[in-house]
Amino acid sequence: DIQMTQSPSSLSASVGDRVTITCRASQGITNYLAWYQHKPGKVPNLLIYAASTLQSGVPSRFSGSGSGTDFTLTISSLQPEDVATYYCQTYSSAPRVFTFGPGTKVEIK
Amino acid sequence: HVQLVESGGGVVQPGGSLRLSCAASGFTFSTYGMHWVRQAPGKGLEWVALISYYGDDKYYADSVKGRFTISRDNSENTVYLQMNSLRAEDTATYYCAKVSSPPYYFDYWGQGTLVTVSS
Repeated sequence: DIQMTQSPSSLSASVGDRVTITCRASQGITNYLAWYQHKPGKVPNLLIYAASTLQSGVPSRFSGSGSGTDFTLTISSLQPEDVATYYCQTYSSAPRVFTFGPGTKVEIK
Repeated sequence: HVQLVESGGGVVQPGGSLRLSCAASGFTFSTYGMHWVRQAPGKGLEWVALISYYGDDKYYADSVKGRFTISRDNSENTVYLQMNSLRAEDTATYYCAKVSSPPYYFDYWGQGTLVTVSS
């Protein structure tokens, strides 16, 4: 099965900072990679799919890149409402499983 | 707009059973696959099961295979998760989620229902 890792596990940054989160797959996944934002007490929200496609309604300060095994989520200018845990997720067809990374907790300094 | 509303959570003893429901609205339910995803207290997200739009194809995480059964009723716009032989490690908030387009992700989520397995 594919294993997903994320780094860092948590970070603290100032409002306006550029923030980058990394996700690595244990084997090549082409671009089958999504990013989710999960705020405390809220439901997870799909931000980016296919590694770099912004989901409708998501602010343009969020962007994704990468292919193969290494991917990044970038927040170009961190806002207070971005405090959340961010998860990457991939899909495997054989066997058909869906795997999340362990999450990165983002806080405001 | 898309709405997913889970119900059926509660406290159950180890070895017991519980059935979760997820009522969907705001989209053509019968044309989309549906997932169950869970989050144990203080832990990350874990995919549990997927059912195809017509209900014939079902897929499970290894951690629940043989104990959980996903099903759906397209006439009622509802997806279910029958959970048997429950263990303490099944304690979690269970979310239903809609298959996205392309069908590799989760684009809408319910608010979740808490299942606690404890004696």
